[in-house]
Amino acid sequence: GNSVTQMEGPVTLSEEAFLTINCTYTATGYPSLFWYVQYPGEGLQLLLKATKADDKGSNKGFEATYRKETTSFHLEKGSVQVSDSAVYFCALSDGGGATNKLIFGTGTLLAVQP
Amino acid sequence: NAGVTQTPKFRILKIGQSMTLQCTQDMNHNYMYWYRQDPGMGLKLIYYSVGAGITDKGEVPNGYNVSRSTTEDFPLRLELAAPSQTSVYFCASSPPGEGTGELFFGEGSRLTVL
Repeated sequence: GNSVTQMEGPVTLSEEAFLTINCTYTATGYPSLFWYVQYPGEGLQLLLKATKADDKGSNKGFEATYRKETTSFHLEKGSVQVSDSAVYFCALSDGGGATNKLIFGTGTLLAVQP
Repeated sequence: NAGVTQTPKFRILKIGQSMTLQCTQDMNHNYMYWYRQDPGMGLKLIYYSVGAGITDKGEVPNGYNVSRSTTEDFPLRLELAAPSQTSVYFCASSPPGEGTGELFFGEGSRLTVL
């Protein structure tokens, strides 16, 4: 079945450092790919998405490119802030997207130190 | 603008007790979901619904039941609680339309079964 694998955390960075969180997927067909973010004590919220190969999703300085040849969707940010500290989840659409069901990775905790 | 509201936020149950986690959304979304989040395991889909009167099992439905009598409400029922059901539960909703992938999450309900 479809699945998502993302790098384990925690990832600890200093403010203004470059961030990469790796995500790879296994899927039949052509799923949409997503990054969700969960701030402490809150539910998840959509950060960015890409719906087809070579699409780049971007939001709040974060970006990720849908790479079909490497089945990857790595999250990057050029300069992280303390306020970016959160858990980041990679996800893909399951079941053809008709029901918007998502399969999530295990999440990566990012801690940014001042 | 309430979005997705879950109650209660915290609950401690004894083994064998039953309870209902309430979820309501005010965005007129057709699709609703229940996920559980366990440490290091990401989110797993328990049940979902594509509209009033229609529910279907997700990846981990055993020990749970749902109903969807209205568009707004999607309660999750735990019968005969077990320690394995200790988790954080998230309700989410989504507008209809293929591949949008944007789920709107509640703040979660932390359940402990002792």
